[in-house]
Amino acid sequence: SQELEQSPQSLIVQEGKNLTINCTSSKTLYGLYWYKQKYGEGLIFLMMLQKGGEEKSHEKITAKLDEKKQQSSLHITASQPSHAGIYLCGVNPIRVGSYDKVIFGPGTSLSVIP
Amino acid sequence: ETGVTQSPTHLIKTRGQQVTLRCSSQSGHNTVSWYQQALGQGPQFIFQYYREEENGRGNFPPRFSGLQFPNYSSELNVNALELDDSALYLCASSPERTSDEQFFGPGTRLTVL
Repeated sequence: SQELEQSPQSLIVQEGKNLTINCTSSKTLYGLYWYKQKYGEGLIFLMMLQKGGEEKSHEKITAKLDEKKQQSSLHITASQPSHAGIYLCGVNPIRVGSYDKVIFGPGTSLSVIP
Repeated sequence: ETGVTQSPTHLIKTRGQQVTLRCSSQSGHNTVSWYQQALGQGPQFIFQYYREEENGRGNFPPRFSGLQFPNYSSELNVNALELDDSALYLCASSPERTSDEQFFGPGTRLTVL
């Protein structure tokens, strides 16, 4: 079965600093999701990447997908306290099938110090 | 447009009891998936309901069961609660069962004592 690893496990940065979170898959990626979760709350959809080399940005967050490396990175520029939370990557191992589920990584906890 | 809602927000039960969690899907969405998220881990897929039928299941025992109603809202039932069932339970709705995007609710925090 497909598994995801995320690094680092946790991150503490000073406000204004840039940071990168990585997500590595044990199998070929056919699309990858990034979600943000405030502690103990539901998941907020950030973006979905579907093709190798694809790059998407939303406000100060940019995500890239490297299919060959079976990896995606999430980059935050000029971090703010509002960026704090848990970042989860997820894959849908079944692109065309009888049902649709997402396999998630363990998450990266981000704290931003004002 | 109303998003995905879940109730209750928090729940405390004791071992052996039964619990029912509820989820109202986003307007126009006919597919609901349930996930269990233990502390410090990513969500784990429990099952999915599409048009009132179970449409896929993860690696969870039969004491985890569900329902989907004609209005596409859903329930998750857990019988014979165990301590390890303590987790955040998330539901997510999708416009269709093969939709690429899932919209998550805020979750129900279940504590089993």
